[in-house]
Parts: sequence; structure tokens; C-alpha cells
Amino acid sequence: SQKIEQNSEALNIQEGKTATLTCNYTNYSPAYLQWYRQDPGRGPVFLLLIRENEKEKRKERLKVTFDTTLKQSLFHITASQPADSATYLCALDQDGGFKTIFGAGTRLFVKA
Amino acid sequence: NAGVTQTPKFRVLKTGQSMTLLCAQDMNHEYMYWYRQDPGMGLRLIHYSVGEGTTAKGEVPDGYNVSRLKKQNFLLGLESAAPSQTSVYFCASALAEGAETQYFGPGTRLLVL
Repeated sequence: SQKIEQNSEALNIQEGKTATLTCNYTNYSPAYLQWYRQDPGRGPVFLLLIRENEKEKRKERLKVTFDTTLKQSLFHITASQPADSATYLCALDQDGGFKTIFGAGTRLFVKA
Repeated sequence: NAGVTQTPKFRVLKTGQSMTLLCAQDMNHEYMYWYRQDPGMGLRLIHYSVGEGTTAKGEVPDGYNVSRLKKQNFLLGLESAAPSQTSVYFCASALAEGAETQYFGPGTRLLVL
């Protein structure tokens, strides 16, 4: 079955630097991959989706890459701010898109 | 629009008690999902529905039942709660087309003693 691996260790960076989070999957290549943000005590919020035929997607200070050969996605936040501190979840489609499988997430701390 | 709402926000149950968690969405979404989130394990799908009157099992369905009698509501039932069901429960919804983006509720924190 498909498994998603995200770094369980928290990522600590200084304000203004670029944060890079990694998502690796182990089995079949998904049709698309998503990134969500989750704040403590709240539900996940959708950020970006990238499809299997796309190498890169950008939205404001966010950039996602998708390498189906490496079975990996990288999520970048440029010019990071303390407000970017949250847990970021990677998610893949499953069963033709009816279902989604989520990674455990990586906690990001941005220090002022 | 309220989006996805969940009731209650927090509940404490004793082992063996039953309860129902309610999820409501006002976005006319066809798909609805129930997940549980435990530390270090991410979101795990319990049950889902692709339309009114339909339900299907997810990754961890044992001990739970669901119903989707109305398009806007998705109920999750625990018939006999167990301490292993202590978790945070999230409901989500999605359009039938473009179902890849899910909209989540605020969660229900459940403690089973």
C-alpha cells in the first residue's frame, strides 16, 4: 500500500530564510499531490496541488516541486515569517481520487 | 458560508458509551469524509461518502458507523466507545469534480476513559 514519509522532526528556521519541507512516497505515482497547512487545534487547510505532469507550481511565496522519478515532492516557503509556523501535511490521491492519503506532517517553526 | 462545521467540539465518554458526531457542510459538496488524527500518525480515513445515501469504509472503519441521509450532513457513530478511540476527529467535504481539494471542519476532540 502507498505510504507517505515526511520528516517527523520539527524544522526551525530564521525569519526571512527559505523553508524546505520534504514528502516522499513509496509506491505508485499519484495523479496529483497536495500540501495542506494545519495550525494547532484546527483542521487542515488546502494550500497547493500539483499534478503528475507538472514539475513545479507556485503561489505567492509558496513553491511545490514534484519528481515522479525520485517519488518526492519539495515544498518551499520563501521569505518565511513567524506566521508561517504550523504543521504542513503532504497528501496523495488514492483510488481514482475518491480518497486521499495524508502524511503525518512536518512542524515548522519560524523564529523572528 | 459557514463551510464545514462539527458538533460537538469536545466530549468525554466512558468506555462502552455511545455517541454521534455531526458534520454539516453548506457548500453543496457531494463527497464527505471522516478522519481521525493521532499524534505521529497523521490523518486516517474512517469512512467516506460519495453522495447522499451512500457510504464506504476507509482505512480504519472498525468500531464506527456512518450515515448520510441528507447531502449536507454526515454522521459518525460510536456504538460502544473504547479508550483506543480517543482521538481528534475531522470531517471534510469535497466537490464531486475536483474532489482532490478537501475542506476540513475544526475537529472534535474525544476522550474515552
